[in-house]
Amino acid sequence: DADVTQTPRNRITKTGKRIMLECSQTKGHDRMYWYRQDPGLGLRLIYYSFDVKDINKGEISDGYSVSRQAQAKFSLSLESAIPNQTALYFCATSDPGNEQFFGPGTRLTVL
Amino acid sequence: AQSVSQHNHHVILSEAASLELGCNYSYGGTVNLFWYVQYPGQHLQLLLKYFSGDPLVKGIKGFEAEFIKSKFSFNLRKPSVQWSDTAEYFCAVANSGGYNKLIFGAGTRLAVHP
Repeated sequence: DADVTQTPRNRITKTGKRIMLECSQTKGHDRMYWYRQDPGLGLRLIYYSFDVKDINKGEISDGYSVSRQAQAKFSLSLESAIPNQTALYFCATSDPGNEQFFGPGTRLTVL
Repeated sequence: AQSVSQHNHHVILSEAASLELGCNYSYGGTVNLFWYVQYPGQHLQLLLKYFSGDPLVKGIKGFEAEFIKSKFSFNLRKPSVQWSDTAEYFCAVANSGGYNKLIFGAGTRLAVHP
């Protein structure tokens, strides 16, 4: 079984809709991250969490919110989706040694 | 602010050719350095990492990278590429002792032709 899972894997939605992307991990890591990937821009950090009570904004948090429901679960929400949020979204976890482990990604299209 | 620059956005090689992908970062303190690979349709996987010690690090699949502190560089190399190396490669930096926040480069898309 995969260590980091994301649901859904693909989603098409309309402008203005609320969307939630979910991430679960079985690695037992405290630290979790949400990134978006856009062609030519690499991965950019949206939010990160170092434990259930610690949530921090990344470099592009506007238009997004997160919830850390448990050590193993970290959800990303788009309250009112817009077309420029069309991207590939990755969840990741890390151990104290800095290596990050990535989920398979969610491809989101906002029409 | 930290930043990571990858010099080549697209690289096309024939099988058995040598590969070098450039990566430079801007950060004055101690850093941890990574190369990740993303095969078509897959998620990112770690190729290799540098935290301290020998600046020449060896990773999976015959890849290696050299940390040159004076040049703020961490270039990725492979002496002989294979068709299966076709992928996108990302350099990433985290400030050592910080909060594991990785800063990624824009990526280099490598295509290897048989």
